[in-house]
Amino acid sequence: GAVVSQHPSRVICKSGTSVKIECRSLDFQATTMFWYRQFPKQSLMLMATSNEGSKATYEQGVEKDKFLINHASLTLSTLTVTSAHPEDSSFYICSAARGRFEQYFGPGTRLTVT
Amino acid sequence: KQEVTQIPAALSVPEGENLVLNCSFTDSAIYNLQWFRQDPGKGLTSLLLIQSSQREQTSGRLNASLDKSSGRSTLYIAASQPGDSATYLCAVRMYSGGGADGLTFGKGTHLIIQP
Repeated sequence: GAVVSQHPSRVICKSGTSVKIECRSLDFQATTMFWYRQFPKQSLMLMATSNEGSKATYEQGVEKDKFLINHASLTLSTLTVTSAHPEDSSFYICSAARGRFEQYFGPGTRLTVT
Repeated sequence: KQEVTQIPAALSVPEGENLVLNCSFTDSAIYNLQWFRQDPGKGLTSLLLIQSSQREQTSGRLNASLDKSSGRSTLYIAASQPGDSATYLCAVRMYSGGGADGLTFGKGTHLIIQP
């Protein structure tokens, strides 16, 4: 199978602090990982594409200085939400691409900023 | 810009019924289309993936069809069960000529199967 994990599954932080979310492909190497965000009763929206060893590509409207992405190895990508605010509260999901065909999704991270 | 629309937004049916969920997309130059299931507060479970050259895919009680030229896909669920209750998401991947690309998702159909 193709398993993708995320850590933590749930995090609560105070406004102004930074939070790091990890995405790992457990049994395959992923040159490309993706980060999505899902607000309540909304669809998943692609935030950025993360390629191992290079800078992430951000979708229009996503602040790259606020959402820092690091893809340091073929099995790990991290998303850091800097200076988090309540409007950043959302469900963040990553996916990892094995080859060009299918993406495998992580279980998601629920971020609540108080 | 690709837009994906799912109809209906919500559906509630008695157990045992066959049902159809609809997905439409505005740009037919897709690489593939994928149906997912999402349970409340959980991640995504991939149900079926249809490549752009394919017309349908089947897995158990699920059948997904794709009409790329008209920008439509349907997910057919046979003999529905209460355990099928979830939100069903349709997503498309565009053809960019190389590498992997992010998916564009619809808002989903929230399905409730009544026991």
